[in-house]
Amino acid sequence: EPEVTQTPSHQVTQMGQEVILRCVPISNHLYFYWYRQILGQKVEFLVSFYNNEISEKSEIFDDQFSVERPDGSNFTLKIRSTKLEDSAMYFCASSDYGSGETQYFGPGTRLLVL
Amino acid sequence: SQKIEQNSEALNIQEGKTATLTCNYTNYSPAYLQWYRQDPGRGPVFLLLIRENEKEKRKERLKVTFDTTLKQSLFHITASQPADSATYLCALDMVNTGFQKLVFGTGTRLLVSP
Repeated sequence: EPEVTQTPSHQVTQMGQEVILRCVPISNHLYFYWYRQILGQKVEFLVSFYNNEISEKSEIFDDQFSVERPDGSNFTLKIRSTKLEDSAMYFCASSDYGSGETQYFGPGTRLLVL
Repeated sequence: SQKIEQNSEALNIQEGKTATLTCNYTNYSPAYLQWYRQDPGRGPVFLLLIRENEKEKRKERLKVTFDTTLKQSLFHITASQPADSATYLCALDMVNTGFQKLVFGTGTRLLVSP
C-alpha cells in the first residue's frame, strides 16, 4: 500500500539554525499538508499546498516557515531560524482530492531545538 | 470561541466490550468529520469519515455517528481488543476556502485490557 514517507525521523538543531524537513507524498496525490504536534498536545494544521502554491496557512505558519515542492516527488518544510518553541513532531500528509477526503499522514519528523 | 472537546481522561475497558468515545465541538460548521487513530510517536491513521448529511457510518467493528444539531460525534468500537489501545482523534474537516483543513481535537486515549 502506498505511504507517505518523511526524512529525517529525528532532527536536533541549535536555536537560530535553519532546518528542512522532507516528505515524499503518495505519488498520485495532488494536495499536500504540514501539521505539527507539540509533545502532549493536539495535532495542529500548519499549511496546505496545491498546484504549486499555498492554499491555506494557519497563524502558526509565519514568515519563518516556507514550503516547496522542488520536484515531482518531494515536499519540504523549511524553518529559517528555529526557536525553542518549534520543538515538536512535524507530520506531512497528502490527499488525492480536497475536502471530504482521507488525508494520509507520514510517520513524522521529531524536531528538537536546543 | 471555537472548541473541539474530547474526553481528556483515558478510557479503560475490558476486552470484548464496546468503547464509546465522544467528540463535541462549538462554533464550527464542519462539512465532514473524521476519526483517526494515533499510536505513540506515530502519525495519525485514518479510520472513518462521515458527512454532515449522514447520521451514521460503519466499517467492520467501527461505527461513527454525527449529530450536527448537538454538534457531537460518537465513535464506537465493538468487541474491543487490546490491539485497539491507542489515542483516537476527532478531526473537523473545514472547507470554508474550498481546500481541506483538518482541525483536530486533543484525542482520547483508549486502553483495552485482556
